[in-house]
Amino acid sequence: AQKITQTQPGMFVQEKEAVTLDCTYDTSDQSYGLFWYKQPSSGEMIFLIYQGSYDEQNATEGRYSLNFQKARKSANLVISASQLGDSAMYFCAMREKNFNKFYFGSGTKLNVKP
Amino acid sequence: EAGVAQSPRYKIIEKRQSVAFWCNPISGHATLYWYQQILGQGPKLLIQFQNNGVVDDSQLPKDRFSAERLKGVDSTLKIQPAKLEDSAVYLCASSYGGTTDTQYFGPGTRLTVL
Repeated sequence: AQKITQTQPGMFVQEKEAVTLDCTYDTSDQSYGLFWYKQPSSGEMIFLIYQGSYDEQNATEGRYSLNFQKARKSANLVISASQLGDSAMYFCAMREKNFNKFYFGSGTKLNVKP
Repeated sequence: EAGVAQSPRYKIIEKRQSVAFWCNPISGHATLYWYQQILGQGPKLLIQFQNNGVVDDSQLPKDRFSAERLKGVDSTLKIQPAKLEDSAVYLCASSYGGTTDTQYFGPGTRLTVL
């Protein structure tokens, strides 16, 4: 079974609108962390946001927020007020703390239209 | 604070040749990771070091790939002999540990095998 599933290979959003990128995960570990990374066309992997499995509040970092629904095992990334510079690949990732394993999803390519 | 450094940035070799990549993690980061990212896919973990010991190398093709982290700082990843399917970006990441254990990535080395 896939550990991280990103079902949207590509997404379009109008500049200044909000967009949600989906991520579901699969783990039997009780303690885990969820991450989102941005990879522009230049190739570097940029850390955006982190959510711990025991965190009760959804994580937020500026225009990024993580919609964490533990029972559904989903960790969707919400980008508010999209900008042209947000056009990139976005990867969801998970770290299983007890198993000390790290997994990436296949990514979602976001295109922001002017 | 200096980020993760990698060299070379680009490398073109012919199949059956050997190649080596170098990574210098963020100062103080005990954990170092090597990933392979094939075009259009998410990163795949090849090997994870904790200081100079190997934590996970379950996805490293050990018949041709090798990695070392002498003195628990710099690391090298070697491919010998290279195959066409090794064409990919090789990403190095490091993490400090702690609650989030966030990984920070270097710029990557783009390998083309002809």
